Amino acid sequence: DGGITQSPKYLFRKEGQNVTLSCEQNLNHDAMYWYRQDPGQGLRLIYYSQIVNDFQKGDIAEGYSVSREKKESFPLTVTSAQKNPTAFYLCASSIARREAFFGQGTRLTVV
Amino acid sequence: AQKITQTQPGMFVQEKEAVTLDCTYDTSDPSYGLFWYKQPSSGEMIFLIYQGSYDQQNATEGRYSLNFQKARKSANLVISASQLGDSAMYFCAMREGRGRGSTLGRLYFGRGTQLTVWP
Repeated sequence: DGGITQSPKYLFRKEGQNVTLSCEQNLNHDAMYWYRQDPGQGLRLIYYSQIVNDFQKGDIAEGYSVSREKKESFPLTVTSAQKNPTAFYLCASSIARREAFFGQGTRLTVV
Repeated sequence: AQKITQTQPGMFVQEKEAVTLDCTYDTSDPSYGLFWYKQPSSGEMIFLIYQGSYDQQNATEGRYSLNFQKARKSANLVISASQLGDSAMYFCAMREGRGRGSTLGRLYFGRGTQLTVWP
């Protein structure tokens, strides 16, 4: 079955530590996105990529980094520069103007 | 300015009744798409319905319909015959087209409406 797989489902980060969230899709979609969700805030765009080896900052890119070396993969690294990383992270993909399909999400907690 | 505004933080509806969730949007682009997603407590985002700015008729998908009023820039979701399983957070979203060949693709989301269906 085609879809988007995010891993891990739960992630704990220590202060000052970088962590990487995985996002893989087998839908052959060109575009991929990372969103952050906080309670009462809706979804905010972190980064997005339209094609391999290219990506753009979204509204809240500070403290995050991404790569797009393969069409299927769009990992997100939460760096130590992100001071408040505790949130729910959602990865999505789409083709052109159609709806975006989402993964199951990763809940990141700072301990 | 907010691209998507959802003014109802919470809504309650009795099972089998219809409910309308409000959404207004802001864009100067003549080409855009409007989407509704459902997010149950598990966190996954489930696509419900899509309306294109050039579509002449309101979109419908089963029990879901979109009341599209272009001049008012509103795209309200109507759920008919509510079920207990409809209890979830609902998000309205928009993608601006910048022409039919647009590749920008990003979705702007509202803050959501928490719908509770009671027996």
